Amino acid sequence: DAKTTQPPSMDCAEGRAANLPCNHSTISGNEYVYWYRQIHSQGPQYIIHGLKNNETNEMASLIITEDRKSSTLILPHATLRDTAVYYCIVRVGDSGNTPLVFGKGTRLSVIA
Amino acid sequence: ETGVTQSPTHLIKTRGQQVTLRCSSQSGHNTVSWYQQALGQGPQFIFQYYREEENGRGNFPPRFSGLQFPNYSSELNVNALELDDSALYLCASSLAGGLTQYFGPGTRLTVL
Repeated sequence: DAKTTQPPSMDCAEGRAANLPCNHSTISGNEYVYWYRQIHSQGPQYIIHGLKNNETNEMASLIITEDRKSSTLILPHATLRDTAVYYCIVRVGDSGNTPLVFGKGTRLSVIA
Repeated sequence: ETGVTQSPTHLIKTRGQQVTLRCSSQSGHNTVSWYQQALGQGPQFIFQYYREEENGRGNFPPRFSGLQFPNYSSELNVNALELDDSALYLCASSLAGGLTQYFGPGTRLTVL
């Protein structure tokens, strides 16, 4: 079973920041937080991952609370193309062979 | 650098038949994982291949089998197809020891 809890759906106005929350209260010290998104009927797309420090790349920022029990994915200026299902996943980080365990994710709708 | 590719894009089979799906991993990636995604659900891990050997398996019956070739490409074989096997089949590649899996576009299998 997935070790994360996400809201089933969210709306965001185009051009505004989209903040997607994720709870992972049972996360272990060696588990990373990963975010993927899946645009309708396509393969999941890697967005970002982190262990305990905040991370930023060209797609998004990941904010992890100090106790690591929750995190927020931030899309700074959402566009219509960001409409997708967003998955938050916790995964042991010391082995690249550990499978990803997906939950149902958050369906983000960006509205014009 | 080429990404993960899968073939065919779509496939229709009848119950009891056998199917083979193919995946070419991203350049330099030596580990391939397969996932099944039923409609409205997150992807579920089937199995993973590393160095041409199965290296982890999810809760799927033996009629789901696979191969990995020396060039790291992979096949997923499903025997005795059932209606519930209708799904999007996703392949993801990664470096052994690498933290991130990159997904292909998927093969949509319909079993009638």
